[in-house]
Amino acid sequence: DVKVTQSSRYLVKRTGEKVFLECVQDMDHENMFWYRQDPGLGLRLIYFSYDVKMKEKGDIPEGYSVSREKKERFSLILESASTNQTSMYLCASSFDRPSPLHFGNGTRLTVT
Amino acid sequence: RKEVEQDPGPFNVPEGATVAFNCTYSNSASQSFFWYRQDCRKEPKLLMSVYSSGNEDGRFTAQLNRASQYISLLIRDSKLSDSATYLCVVNKDYKLSFGAGTTVTVRA
Repeated sequence: DVKVTQSSRYLVKRTGEKVFLECVQDMDHENMFWYRQDPGLGLRLIYFSYDVKMKEKGDIPEGYSVSREKKERFSLILESASTNQTSMYLCASSFDRPSPLHFGNGTRLTVT
Repeated sequence: RKEVEQDPGPFNVPEGATVAFNCTYSNSASQSFFWYRQDCRKEPKLLMSVYSSGNEDGRFTAQLNRASQYISLLIRDSKLSDSATYLCVVNKDYKLSFGAGTTVTVRA
């Protein structure tokens, strides 16, 4: 069974801090994704990666960056956290495009 | 206009009832369609793909209507464990668009 692990379940950070969200998958998937989920808005794609060291912007990349140095690990970075980045962040991976996506259990980030 | 729209519900139904709900999408060139299920405070998980001819998976039936640009999900003989939020997902050119979800609550 595919396992996607996000490093933190809950995080509280202050405005202006640099924040790292880590995601690791154990199924040798090529594709990895970062989404945020907000009430009434659904999941929105922040960044994705189809290969090591490769990244592409999703629908809402502003204020975020990513890193994929190894195939199994995809990191989301908030360069300077802001209160409007308070959200649930979901990492996902997939063997094929576009589906099925295997999600991690999420990181609920609060920026104060 | 949102790319994918869903009635947020909640749909409150008794055990054993049938519940059905739709999802509309705006891009007529969309290529494939899915339903994901998300339990409270959990991650989404793929429930089923939606095929042009319609498909069933146990008590769940999915339909696609390309002419009217909607997909539907029907749950027969509802169980308490079916209580969840159901996310509609539409793919075009490998870009997935998610609806905000329809919440179903099954009561004893």
